[in-house]
Amino acid sequence: EAQVTQNPRYLITVTGKKLTVTCSQNMNHEYMSWYRQDPGLGLRQIYYSMNVEVTDKGDVPEGYKVSRKEKRNFPLILESPSPNQTSLYFCASSPLGVMETQYFGPGTRLLVL
Amino acid sequence: DAKTTQPNSMESNEEEPVHLPCNHSTISGTDYIHWYRQLPSQGPEYVIHGLTSNVNNRMASLAIAEDRKSSTLILHRATLRDAAVYYCILENSGGSNYKLTFGKGTLLTVNP
Repeated sequence: EAQVTQNPRYLITVTGKKLTVTCSQNMNHEYMSWYRQDPGLGLRQIYYSMNVEVTDKGDVPEGYKVSRKEKRNFPLILESPSPNQTSLYFCASSPLGVMETQYFGPGTRLLVL
Repeated sequence: DAKTTQPNSMESNEEEPVHLPCNHSTISGTDYIHWYRQLPSQGPEYVIHGLTSNVNNRMASLAIAEDRKSSTLILHRATLRDAAVYYCILENSGGSNYKLTFGKGTLLTVNP
């Protein structure tokens, strides 16, 4: 089944404790992206990647890092999480050149105390 | 970025058609109109998209006004599984970064 998977789905952590949220897709998509969803603000893009070893900042990249060493994986790294990074995070993927569809993962709900 | 305006909520009965409106008066000539929906506790899901002509797929139909300043997502026979938040999004076809900017959307309630 074609899908985007994220792990963990739920995470409670404390300020300053480094964490990684994994994202993997099995559709051989070139494009992958991370969003955060907050009430009243919609989805905002954090980082995106057009292909392996190619990443770029989205609208809200501060406090986050990403890497794209393999086509299927696009982990999101919070080096020193803060409470304002408490949010619902979504990873998405899409084939390049096909504008109509982004496939989203199920989301990771993060609480930073 | 181009803006869209949608009603906060709508209600429908099962097996009846649903028309979800979206206003986008600032749309530019190269903006595509996309619809996504988000079911409870799930990630957004693509529904349909179009540029100028009306579009049909297995999930829904998209009716685009002649001046493109508004569009309507049509669910021909609503089911309980269609209860979700529906987002109307404008995306410019230019540029190399394909990102989606979701507004507040319309919460659709389907009554049995």
